[in-house]
Amino acid sequence: ETGVTQTPRHLVMGMTNKKSLKCEQHLGHNAMYWYKQSAKKPLELMFVYNFKEQTENNSVPSRFSPECPNSSHLFLHLHTLQPEDSALYLCASSQERTSGGKETQYFGPGTRLLVL
Amino acid sequence: QKEVEQNSGPLSVPEGAIASLNCTYSDRVSQSFFWYRQYSGKSPELIMSIYSNGDKEDGRFTAQLNKASQYVSLLIRDSQPSDSATYLCAVNHAGGTSYGKLTFGQGTILTVHP
Repeated sequence: ETGVTQTPRHLVMGMTNKKSLKCEQHLGHNAMYWYKQSAKKPLELMFVYNFKEQTENNSVPSRFSPECPNSSHLFLHLHTLQPEDSALYLCASSQERTSGGKETQYFGPGTRLLVL
Repeated sequence: QKEVEQNSGPLSVPEGAIASLNCTYSDRVSQSFFWYRQYSGKSPELIMSIYSNGDKEDGRFTAQLNKASQYVSLLIRDSQPSDSATYLCAVNHAGGTSYGKLTFGQGTILTVHP
């Protein structure tokens, strides 16, 4: 596997289900991100993990729960979602240095989520 | 609210023409600027990054940055049908907890017709 991988690629779930999205980066990066992309809306940053520590929670509802067990893996746990949460969920990673902010973020292929 | 705005499009250009994509941003202290291309149903991929005022060229692509005007653009020369995609402008905010935080524009859909 190379780059950033995400599983599953497609997910259909009911509002009472619990599911998890998985992301793995094979680039040796130290920062990982979750983004949400809805139709006709800009990509929205949800969570940032830097050296496994969560450094950003962009006012995301608690029904989304991230987990970063190590610098290569990132999960997004989903429970009691709403139909408006249907979107493409993208994971990204980068190698951030102390000067921060200049490093390219590389995206995974995304998980297309449909909440019924 | 830090915002990034792109010309709404869609933009349609003939094959071989120059496509010009524009982006403005509201946070004056932003330091890093990126253009991503996203094909339908795919994830964004980086085309160009630019950090200093002026032009940066890479093959058929030229990024232009004017921090005083808070403006960044992407020119695609000799446009090809394979360039048809959504182009996303992204801005990285400097300092504090904004470390690694990108704000994206809504994207401009480009269609290059033969």
